[in-house]
Amino acid sequence: EVQLLESGGDLVQPGGSLRLSCAASGFTFSSYAMSWVRQAPGKGLEWVSGNSGTGGSTYYADSVEGRFTISRDNSKRTLFLQMNSLRAEDTAVYYCAKGSCSGGGCSLDSWGQGTLVTVSS
Amino acid sequence: DIVMTQSPDSLAVSLGERATINCKSSQSVLYSSTNKNYLGWYQQRPGQPPKLLIYWASTRESGVPDRFSGSGSGTDFTLTISSLQAEDVAVYYCQQYYSPPRTFGQGTKVEIK
Repeated sequence: EVQLLESGGDLVQPGGSLRLSCAASGFTFSSYAMSWVRQAPGKGLEWVSGNSGTGGSTYYADSVEGRFTISRDNSKRTLFLQMNSLRAEDTAVYYCAKGSCSGGGCSLDSWGQGTLVTVSS
Repeated sequence: DIVMTQSPDSLAVSLGERATINCKSSQSVLYSSTNKNYLGWYQQRPGQPPKLLIYWASTRESGVPDRFSGSGSGTDFTLTISSLQAEDVAVYYCQQYYSPPRTFGQGTKVEIK
């Protein structure tokens, strides 16, 4: 059974940094692309970032480009999201999700329960 | 970036009746070399993470009831719930995975009338 467990969410001041982790189990982690998706309180889903199974290809939403960095440690089956220069509008539940890929495109077939990031002074 | 627009924002349907949700992309998500539409549908029940229902616009994910179906191609897509059940109360999102950033629609809330 696929399991994704996010951690690292916290209350942080504007301009601060935070690192999220997503521990994966139940599948061959290094073979799958992964993504981060966030959801602000009472709002819809926003895709944030994704990377390939090797981590060699990375992608970002315009809203986080240059501030967030996605990475992974395949030996530890863990996905990361380093978030710098945080803003109030980054406040959200952050989900990690496993990609189901073919032909260069990936739907998201398994999701974690999410971790809450609050950016406030 | 590809903009995904869903309609309506919300709908109320009687139990056993049909629910139809539309999704329009600002550019085609049909990839010519694979002849596939890079479009997925997700269900998010209250307090839960999203769940994949449909991928490649019309392929049902394993375990998803057959009352859920997806259709459409290019820029216009539809998710249909043929006979609404109480457990289908949720927000439904479409997402394109044709090109990054892999944008979602704004969501459609489905309630019982």
